Amino acid sequence: KQEVTQIPAALSVPEGENLVLNCSFTDSAIYNLQWFRQDPGKGLTSLLLIQSSQREQTSGRLNASLDKSSGRSTLYIAASQPGDSATYLCAVRLDYGQNFVFGPGTRLSVLP
Amino acid sequence: GAVVSQHPSRVICKSGTSVKIECRSLDFQATTMFWYRQFPKQSLMLMATSNEGSKATYEQGVEKDKFLINHASLTLSTLTVTSAHPEDSSFYICSADDRLLAGEETQYFGPGTRLLVL
Repeated sequence: KQEVTQIPAALSVPEGENLVLNCSFTDSAIYNLQWFRQDPGKGLTSLLLIQSSQREQTSGRLNASLDKSSGRSTLYIAASQPGDSATYLCAVRLDYGQNFVFGPGTRLSVLP
Repeated sequence: GAVVSQHPSRVICKSGTSVKIECRSLDFQATTMFWYRQFPKQSLMLMATSNEGSKATYEQGVEKDKFLINHASLTLSTLTVTSAHPEDSSFYICSADDRLLAGEETQYFGPGTRLLVL
């Protein structure tokens, strides 16, 4: 059974810092991996989607990498801003037509 | 991009009543939709997989007689929480697959429905 973990569970940093969020999954046979952002009481905002054949994806200040063989992904946030404060969820898609399995999330707080 | 809507966005009901939540794919057809549940300060957990024209597949521990799922068309799936109790209070999120011509597949998430049972 696929399990997804995320480290750290919570993170508080001053504005401007570069930071790395970690995601691990137990079964490397995934279809794709996606990073989401969730603000309190809100739904999911898709940040980056990495297909199983890809190694990384970039969007603005965000960069996500995928090492399928080791079951790991990292989300790199450059020059963090208070507006980045949210919970970041990592999720893996098991196969075409299947559901996502979500990690527990990392709660990020960027202090002004 | 593709959009998935949910209605209502928020609902408060009395214990013992039933609540219906709709999930619609607005500009694509979705043969498969997924229902997730998120309790406070926890992550999303899959409840069931909804397939158009057939019975839903429920995850272990999810009561199929309590959480009724109907996927009557390619753009609409409904989740009915029957005889709701306070422990059913949660954030319910649906998602739908958009299967593109290239054989790729993207899953889009709805904005969620917050249910509070008094």
